[in-house]
Amino acid sequence: AQKITQTQPGMFVQEKEAVTLDCTYDTSDPSYGLFWYKQPSSGEMIFLIYQGSYDQQNATEGRYSLNFQKARKSANLVISASQLGDSAMYFCAMREALIQGAQKLVFGQGTRLTINP
Amino acid sequence: NAGVTQTPKFRILKIGQSMTLQCTQDMNHNYMYWYRQDPGMGLKLIYYSVGAGITDKGEVPNGYNVSRSTTEDFPLRLELAAPSQTSVYFCASNPALALYNEQFFGPGTRLTVL
Repeated sequence: AQKITQTQPGMFVQEKEAVTLDCTYDTSDPSYGLFWYKQPSSGEMIFLIYQGSYDQQNATEGRYSLNFQKARKSANLVISASQLGDSAMYFCAMREALIQGAQKLVFGQGTRLTINP
Repeated sequence: NAGVTQTPKFRILKIGQSMTLQCTQDMNHNYMYWYRQDPGMGLKLIYYSVGAGITDKGEVPNGYNVSRSTTEDFPLRLELAAPSQTSVYFCASNPALALYNEQFFGPGTRLTVL
């Protein structure tokens, strides 16, 4: 079974600084996908970025990028030029195959990021 | 597109009561899921569906039931509410074929059982 570990319960960063949120994973599947979701205080889950195990390049989406190190089984999220609106809970997740093409997401425990002005 | 909608947003139940959490998506997605999120934790899968009439258990199905009579709707039923079911419940969906296969989440239902 897949496992996701996020070792930073909380992080505090000054506005405009870059921040790295750690995520390590464990799987025996050669093909897998990793996701990052943001959960602001309002509670909704917002998809940020995806990295496939066979992708040649690290994923980027605007200010978000993934530092994907396959040999270390890590997929850290990097947020450049942090903003106050980035304050939220961040979850790393891996998909796990179910029946007939369905895929569940296996989540880590999350990291609460606080951006200070 | 409204995406994935859930009702109610909040609910307080007494031990032993029953209720149905509603989930509807208007994106014609085949796959739908119910997750629960306990305080300070990530989400865990309760039940899922691969299409109308087909459902299966996830990691934490005890105390819940589901049905899927249409593509759009995937209600979650709690028969005998217990304090351990106090949680935030998220419904999610994804299409059969997509670039990332990311799941689209509803806004959640916050349930308290007293």
